[in-house]
Amino acid sequence: GAVVSQHPSRVICKSGTSVKIECRSLDFQATTMFWYRQFPKQSLMLMATSNEGSKATYEQGVEKDKFLINHASLTLSTLTVTSAHPEDSSFYICSAERTGGYEQFFGPGTRLTVL
Amino acid sequence: GNSVTQMEGPVTLSEEAFLTINCTYTATGYPSLFWYVQYPGEGLQLLLKATKADDKGSNKGFEATYRKETTSFHLEKGSVQVSDSAVYFCALSDPPGTNAGKSTFGDGTTLTVKP
Repeated sequence: GAVVSQHPSRVICKSGTSVKIECRSLDFQATTMFWYRQFPKQSLMLMATSNEGSKATYEQGVEKDKFLINHASLTLSTLTVTSAHPEDSSFYICSAERTGGYEQFFGPGTRLTVL
Repeated sequence: GNSVTQMEGPVTLSEEAFLTINCTYTATGYPSLFWYVQYPGEGLQLLLKATKADDKGSNKGFEATYRKETTSFHLEKGSVQVSDSAVYFCALSDPPGTNAGKSTFGDGTTLTVKP
């Protein structure tokens, strides 16, 4: 149990386009989901905390209008990178916290490449 | 705020060697402690965890003991295999019921095991 999926696993897009990444908890409900960004050979940087039915909480330095987060249900959160640029190329990882729990379950990540 | 400091890598070992990856933390209260493993191109997988002082987490031959007196959670394995080659992250999260379970990660330690 406690499986988290991400879709797509890889995406290549042109500069200026928007890309949506989905994060789903497959067999549990997640009131809270987290979005991380990971640069090559570096640690995870928390971008935002997504709470079902409310606005996401962004970490300092993360542009809200650039990285749109929607947590529409207890099993789905989406991250939309708007007007993507090459510097947005990265590995994006989501995690989900089971409702009432404290442990995070991580998705497999999405590799975004912006040309 | 919370912080996690990991032993710098990369670490290169021969098969069947003993592994130690040091991890120390700074946090208020009694955080939960985790070790995650990340294989190339993949997301994070929980390796083991401990939620209170003196707890020992163990999985797949790996062990780590929650030492509150030294604020440490060192990862050990008695005999590593080539398949253990990966990046290992130490992390902490606030106790259940507090602060939405946000995790703080160390910088990661790359382990390479040679046959």
